Amino acid sequence: EIVLTQSPGTLSLSPGDRATLSCRAGQTVSTTYFAWYQQKPGQAPRLLIYGTSRRAAGIPDRFSGSGSGTDFTLTISRLEPEDLAVYFCQQYGRSPTTFGQGTKVEIK
Amino acid sequence: QVQLVQSGAEVKKPGSSVKVSCRAPGGIFNSYAFNWVRQAPEQRLQWMGRIIPVFGTRNFAQAFQGRVAITADESTSTFYMELSGLTSDDTAVYYCAAERVTGTPPIPSSFDFWGQGSLVTVSS
Repeated sequence: EIVLTQSPGTLSLSPGDRATLSCRAGQTVSTTYFAWYQQKPGQAPRLLIYGTSRRAAGIPDRFSGSGSGTDFTLTISRLEPEDLAVYFCQQYGRSPTTFGQGTKVEIK
Repeated sequence: QVQLVQSGAEVKKPGSSVKVSCRAPGGIFNSYAFNWVRQAPEQRLQWMGRIIPVFGTRNFAQAFQGRVAITADESTSTFYMELSGLTSDDTAVYYCAAERVTGTPPIPSSFDFWGQGSLVTVSS
């Protein structure tokens, strides 16, 4: 199965900062089948980005995704207090679908 | 916004089984596959398996083969995941997640909607 490794483990930033989250795959992943999710404390995960760069319905444009091959990035252009959450990546092109271990975003 | 509603928390003894339910809006029953994903403490999300009602098919992760059953009741738009042979390692939050079905065979898709999660605690 494809192992996804996210970095950093924790990101501590101030409101208005730019956050850059990375996800590295153990083997090449098609950009068509790569997603990012947000999980706020005590809540279920929510789809943010699919197909590497397509925002899901209702997701603000401060969230953007990019990448190809084995390296993918989620960028939050201007952090807001409600962005406090764990963010994790997913590949769904090869079965079994797999997830990264998550990056926790803390707001100073 | 599609809401998936899951059953409540359960406490189970080692060796027993647990059955978790996930109710979906009736209109999406044949448009989505329904996956089960678990999140053990301090662990990453782990996919367990899925059912695709429109095709009547099921797929399971190798780690759970022979120990997990996924069923569906179309009359109530409810999906079930039953895990047997429980050990303390099965203590986790179990989520159902809906994946849009497109094409034959279905093209893989992201998990558009998630249930709120069901905590299963295995303890003697």
